[in-house]
Amino acid sequence: KQEVTQIPAALSVPEGENLVLNCSFTDSAIYNLQWFRQDPGKGLTSLLLIQSSQREQTSGRLNASLDKSSGRSTLYIAASQPGDSATYLCAVPMEYGNKLVFGAGTILRVKS
Amino acid sequence: NAGVTQTPKFRILKIGQSMTLQCTQDMNHNYMYWYRQDPGMGLKLIYYSVGAGITDKGEVPNGYNVSRSTTEDFPLRLELAAPSQTSVYFCASSLPAPYEQFFGPGTRLTVL
Repeated sequence: KQEVTQIPAALSVPEGENLVLNCSFTDSAIYNLQWFRQDPGKGLTSLLLIQSSQREQTSGRLNASLDKSSGRSTLYIAASQPGDSATYLCAVPMEYGNKLVFGAGTILRVKS
Repeated sequence: NAGVTQTPKFRILKIGQSMTLQCTQDMNHNYMYWYRQDPGMGLKLIYYSVGAGITDKGEVPNGYNVSRSTTEDFPLRLELAAPSQTSVYFCASSLPAPYEQFFGPGTRLTVL
């Protein structure tokens, strides 16, 4: 059964710092991995989707890497801003590409 | 495009009452999903559908029912509400491959 773990559970950093969020999964035979952002009381916004054949994806200040063999992904946020404060969730499919299994998330606070 | 829309935003039910959570998407996505999110936890899949007329159970389907009569709509039915169903419910949709999922804003349900 696929299980997803995110470390740390919470993170507080001063504005401008570069930071790394970690995601690990138990079954390495994944189709893809998706990173989401969730603001308090809101829905999820898709940030990055990495296909199993890719090693990383970039969008602006965000870079996500994927190491299937070790069952790990990292989300790197460069030059953090207070507007980056949110919960970040990673998810992998139970099978094929759909039916996502989510981690519990990392709550990020960027202090100005 | 409105994307994925959900109604209502909030609802309080009494134990044993029934209700339907509505979900509509205007992106012509074949796949649709219902998840629930409990405090401090990741999302768990309740039901999903790969097209009109086709639905299947996810991780936590007990106490819920779904139907998919059109591509756009995927309502979730609670027949006999229980306090354990107090949660935030999210609807999502995707195309087949790469299966990137897009989420609605959620419905916050309290059962007292």
